[in-house]
Amino acid sequence: DVKVTQSSRYLVKRTGEKVFLECVQDMDHENMFWYRQDPGLGLRLIYFSYDVKMKEKGDIPEGYSVSREKKERFSLILESASTNQTSMYLCASSLSLGVETQYFGPGTRLLVL
Amino acid sequence: SQKIEQNSEALNIQEGKTATLTCNYTNYSPAYLQWYRQDPGRGPVFLLLIRENEKEKRKERLKVTFDTTLKQSLFHITASQPADSATYLCALVGSGYSTLTFGKGTMLLVSP
Repeated sequence: DVKVTQSSRYLVKRTGEKVFLECVQDMDHENMFWYRQDPGLGLRLIYFSYDVKMKEKGDIPEGYSVSREKKERFSLILESASTNQTSMYLCASSLSLGVETQYFGPGTRLLVL
Repeated sequence: SQKIEQNSEALNIQEGKTATLTCNYTNYSPAYLQWYRQDPGRGPVFLLLIRENEKEKRKERLKVTFDTTLKQSLFHITASQPADSATYLCALVGSGYSTLTFGKGTMLLVSP
């Protein structure tokens, strides 16, 4: 059974803190994605990676960075958390870009105070 | 600019009826369209994929149509059940096989 796991379901951080969100997939997928989901705005792509050490900006990369040192793991980093980064963060993976089904993790609800 | 529109108002229907959800798009030429289901506090789950040269796709009680002339996809759930209550998202894939762009989703509420 396919599985995408995220390191935390809920996270509370202070403004200015460095925040790491981790995602692991066990399907040997090439591609991994980070989205944020906000009421009224839907799912928005932050970054994606199509190979180890490769990354591409999505629609809203500002204030975020990513790291993919191993195929199964994709990390989202908030260098200096701000209150407007309070959101639900969803990680996904797929076999290839575009066509293929994306498998999502359960999400991390981040609150920045 | 490219736009994907799904009805922002929740759709309320009675158990046993057919639910029909709409996904409209503009300034887009998608090669594929996907539908996902999302339950509160959880990640989306893939349901169906339909290609631009397919008019209709079925899976059990689910049916998707794709009209590239109208720039519209319809998602039907027949014999709906309370367990079908969720938010349904459509997602488009561009002809360049790039990433998915998601609509904002429509909430479906099926009452017993």
